[in-house]
Amino acid sequence: GAVVSQHPSRVICKSGTSVKIECRSLDFQATTMFWYRQFPKQSLMLMATSNEGSKATYEQGVEKDKFLINHASLTLSTLTVTSAHPEDSSFYICSAPTRVLTNEKLFFGSGTQLSVL
Amino acid sequence: KNQVEQSPQSLIILEGKNCTLQCNYTVSPFSNLRWYKQDTGRGPVSLTIMTFSENTKSNGRYTATLDADTKQSSLHITASQLSDSASYICVVSGQAGTALIFGKGTTLSVSS
Repeated sequence: GAVVSQHPSRVICKSGTSVKIECRSLDFQATTMFWYRQFPKQSLMLMATSNEGSKATYEQGVEKDKFLINHASLTLSTLTVTSAHPEDSSFYICSAPTRVLTNEKLFFGSGTQLSVL
Repeated sequence: KNQVEQSPQSLIILEGKNCTLQCNYTVSPFSNLRWYKQDTGRGPVSLTIMTFSENTKSNGRYTATLDADTKQSSLHITASQLSDSASYICVVSGQAGTALIFGKGTTLSVSS
């Protein structure tokens, strides 16, 4: 079945540095990918929708200059947390639908645990 | 306001027992409802997806039901195993092109 690969699975960085997270669709093309953030024991919160070849759409309250999204190809989207601070520490997850209009099949990456010291 | 409410928030059961998780939603118009299993520190994995016309769908020991009239769904787990310990998330999709609405999940702990 369709697989979404997300890397790295865990990253620890110093405050002020930038961290890039990759999300790849391995056996299907994804013109759209979604990025979520999840705090412990909380639901997934949609941060932004990544669109191949165009600008990402950010949810209200998410700083686009803080969370840079690039969707350069039909199989790769990246999320860069710029100038990370301890409050950015969280679990970040990407997902990709195989059919955009109905979101019929939605596959998630394995997540990235970011810890900012 | 579109919402998805799950209950209970957490549940502890003995290995081998059955359990049922609930999901109530107010999303309208409704397109489909999905149940996901999320292990700690991992991404969600799809269990079932049901559209408006489907009342039940099974995936091994997992059986989901849907009542679109009352806007309720349940996930029944039969003969639970230790590996079933996880968070179970109910996700509802509105009309095409709209964002998915996530429930907060039910944390299930299966003990021996």
